[in-house]
Amino acid sequence: GAGVSQSPRYKVAKRGQDVALRCDPISGHVSLFWYQQALGQGPEFLTYFQNEAQLDKSGLPSDRFFAERPEGSVSTLKIQRTQQEDSAVYLCASSFEHRYGNTIYFGEGSWLTVV
Amino acid sequence: QKEVEQDPGPLSVPEGAIVSLNCTYSNSAFQYFMWYRQYSRKGPELLMYTYSSGNKEDGRFTAQVDKSSKYISLFIRDSQPSDSATYLCAMSAVNQGAQKLVFGQGTRLTINP
Repeated sequence: GAGVSQSPRYKVAKRGQDVALRCDPISGHVSLFWYQQALGQGPEFLTYFQNEAQLDKSGLPSDRFFAERPEGSVSTLKIQRTQQEDSAVYLCASSFEHRYGNTIYFGEGSWLTVV
Repeated sequence: QKEVEQDPGPLSVPEGAIVSLNCTYSNSAFQYFMWYRQYSRKGPELLMYTYSSGNKEDGRFTAQVDKSSKYISLFIRDSQPSDSATYLCAMSAVNQGAQKLVFGQGTRLTINP
């Protein structure tokens, strides 16, 4: 596709509900990232994939958060038993290679509100 | 204290003014410095990328990095209403893993016609 595509764009979840957020990176991009952006804050790193391998998940805030990229393209971020503090924009990003200096392209984000 | 500090603003200036945005950081391992622009309800878009210290110019935008002071700046000349957005600085270090970015809080900028 022309850019990083994320769905759903907006999600309202009841506290305790499980949610799944999908990211479709730019075709051929090796690296894929998930970031969390709270209102009025900068994005914070969650996890990083190189192809299907999850090389860094140090930013995942708890074991309720799980990400996968089984075939090295589409990725899903799953949040189990959502809490109000999970309300944020979840940004997916991709880049062509894992070398420094490659442009990272962000999607428009999935806006999650937990009520 | 956060690794990257950025004044959230808001900053409001008249059209045509020179805008100065800046960030300070504490991690001396940061080597890659970026500025992103984020419009409301959109994802961040890369504006400028700089490696190590020095200046980089691209059209109306100039990025400066002073590693000795742990201070980076973005200057916008001849500012336009279309420049109204949130500007995020971001940094990364080799020892933190490939391209893992640490962002500032973002500065909300409004250019008044």
